[in-house]
Amino acid sequence: DAKTTQPTSMDCAEGRAANLPCNHSTISGNEYVYWYRQIHSQGPQYIIHGLKNNETNEMASLIITEDRKSSTLILPHATLRDTAVYYCIVRVAAGNNRKLIWGLGTSLAVNP
Amino acid sequence: DAGVIQSPRHEVTEMGQEVTLRCKPISGHDYLFWYRQTMMRGLELLIYFNNNVPIDDSGMPEDRFSAKMPNASFSTLKIQPSEPRDSAVYFCASSLTPYGYTFGSGTRLTVV
Repeated sequence: DAKTTQPTSMDCAEGRAANLPCNHSTISGNEYVYWYRQIHSQGPQYIIHGLKNNETNEMASLIITEDRKSSTLILPHATLRDTAVYYCIVRVAAGNNRKLIWGLGTSLAVNP
Repeated sequence: DAGVIQSPRHEVTEMGQEVTLRCKPISGHDYLFWYRQTMMRGLELLIYFNNNVPIDDSGMPEDRFSAKMPNASFSTLKIQPSEPRDSAVYFCASSLTPYGYTFGSGTRLTVV
């Protein structure tokens, strides 16, 4: 079973920041938080990952709370092309276990 | 790089027929994954390989499903005999690091 909880759907106005929350209250000390998204009819796309510190790349920022029980993915200036299902996943990033357990994600609609 | 290449993009077959899905991972990636996605069950990991060796096939639904990776640049997922409940989008993904998986565009399978 997925170890994360996300809202089913969210809306965001084009040009505004989209803040997508994720609860992972049972996360272990050696588990990373990953975010992927899936645009309609395409394969999932990796966005970002983090362990403890906040992370930023060209796509998004990831804010992880100090107790690591929750995180927020931030798309700073959402565009219509950011409309997608966003998945938050936790897993250990070591050893041979590469299994990702996917939940249902958050369906983000960016509106003009 | 052309990314992960899957073929065919769409497959329509009759119940009882054999179906073979194909995947070419990104060159140099040592992990390959097969996923199935349906509205009811979301994204499910079927099997994954490391250096062409199957590591975890616990997600393969039943003996009708088989997967092979004869070399580092090619993998197949075979369903024999196919059933209507096998209708889904099948994704192949590959990775080099534990952090980011690259997915193909998927094969939409319809069994009638």
